[in-house]
Amino acid sequence: DTAVSQTPKYLVTQMGNDKSIKCEQNLGHDTMYWYKQDSKKFLKIMFSYNNKELIINETVPNRFSPKSPDKAHLNLHINSLELGDSAVYFCASSLGGPINEQFFGPGTRLTVL
Amino acid sequence: KQEVTQIPAALSVPEGENLVLNCSFTDSAIYNLQWFRQDPGKGLTSLLLIQSSQREQTSGRLNASLDKSSGRSTLYIAASQPGDSATYLCAVPMDSSYKLIFGSGTRLLVRP
Repeated sequence: DTAVSQTPKYLVTQMGNDKSIKCEQNLGHDTMYWYKQDSKKFLKIMFSYNNKELIINETVPNRFSPKSPDKAHLNLHINSLELGDSAVYFCASSLGGPINEQFFGPGTRLTVL
Repeated sequence: KQEVTQIPAALSVPEGENLVLNCSFTDSAIYNLQWFRQDPGKGLTSLLLIQSSQREQTSGRLNASLDKSSGRSTLYIAASQPGDSATYLCAVPMDSSYKLIFGSGTRLLVRP
């Protein structure tokens, strides 16, 4: 039983395209996150949603738009993809705020050609 | 601004050795500190979470300690095995926000 799942696992696309990554958690958590891991393996927060409301929006280009249809899902839509968007994107979830453990999905490796 | 540093960046040890990974943070006002493991091409697996009120946490061969006043945490791995080879990351929440600030990781190789 996968706790935090992401689809697709791999995504290869051309510059300028629009793509989405989906995330689902079955842990009953109320907070979900998107992180980006760049080529140097450095992990950085992008967005966080609590009870379907956006609570963190780092300095991410507005081509990135998260959507949370319910507490168990947080999707990431990316418009007009650029070469620099190539990275591994991780979804995570937790129960409540920063005092609680975050659980991560397996990641989506995005390659923009 | 919270900064998290991990030293060393890479470590290679023979199987069976006990080892210590280090994590330091600049702002001691943390809620907790979490240690993760990342295998190549895989996601992050949570290993241990230490709350700010705790000094250490243990899980099997892993023991994590926390010294808030000095801004340090260590992850002790006893009797290392080749299966322990992975990148180990520490992370702390930033202020009272929901953001985790990650260190750059220590890449561990345990040689058979």
